[in-house]
Amino acid sequence: EDKVVQSPLSLVVHEGDTVTLNCSYEVTNFRSLLWYKQEKKAPTFLFMLTSSGIEKKSGRLSSILDKKELFSILNITATQTGDSAIYLCAVGFGETSGSRLTFGEGTQLTVNP
Amino acid sequence: DTGVSQNPRHKITKRGQNVTFRCDPISEHNRLYWYRQTLGQGPEFLTYFQNEAQLEKSRLLSDRFSAERPKGSFSTLEIQRTEQGDSAMYLCASKRGSLTGELFFGEGSRLTVL
Repeated sequence: EDKVVQSPLSLVVHEGDTVTLNCSYEVTNFRSLLWYKQEKKAPTFLFMLTSSGIEKKSGRLSSILDKKELFSILNITATQTGDSAIYLCAVGFGETSGSRLTFGEGTQLTVNP
Repeated sequence: DTGVSQNPRHKITKRGQNVTFRCDPISEHNRLYWYRQTLGQGPEFLTYFQNEAQLEKSRLLSDRFSAERPKGSFSTLEIQRTEQGDSAMYLCASKRGSLTGELFFGEGSRLTVL
């Protein structure tokens, strides 16, 4: 069965720390992997990855995909309290799935001052 | 506002009642998705429309759930004979027609079944 697994499920750090969030997947006909940030409302888009080894970067956040080992990581450097949120990994796959996304459980990140 | 719009934002109902949620996607997006999210979980796929055609339904979607997108624009999700286990956030998302690309999410409709 297709699945997306994130780890850790929960993480508490201090401001200024660097964190690495993990996402592994087992799907048929992989198309893309996306990272979202969810605070109290709707998930907001961070990155989409389709090719192995190409880092996507936005400010203090970066992400990379390994299609051979079937995982992705999301790095956040110099964390701030505003980074506290749930980080969701989602995978788009399949020939007839309409490019719907299957989400992992999310990683709850708490950044303490 | 050109984002995905959902209403009502909150709905409290008694078990056994019917509820309906509405989603207005971004206007040029022909694909529309419904997801359900419970506390501590990622969103779970429910159903998907391409224009007015409902092309896929999750096995999570029991026969008490029905979704429509009559003119390929807004969509409704109806839950009949609600149960306490239906309490969740119902998220709508839309995207353009490509097979890759991000989903744009609405702020969700939170359902509480008493």
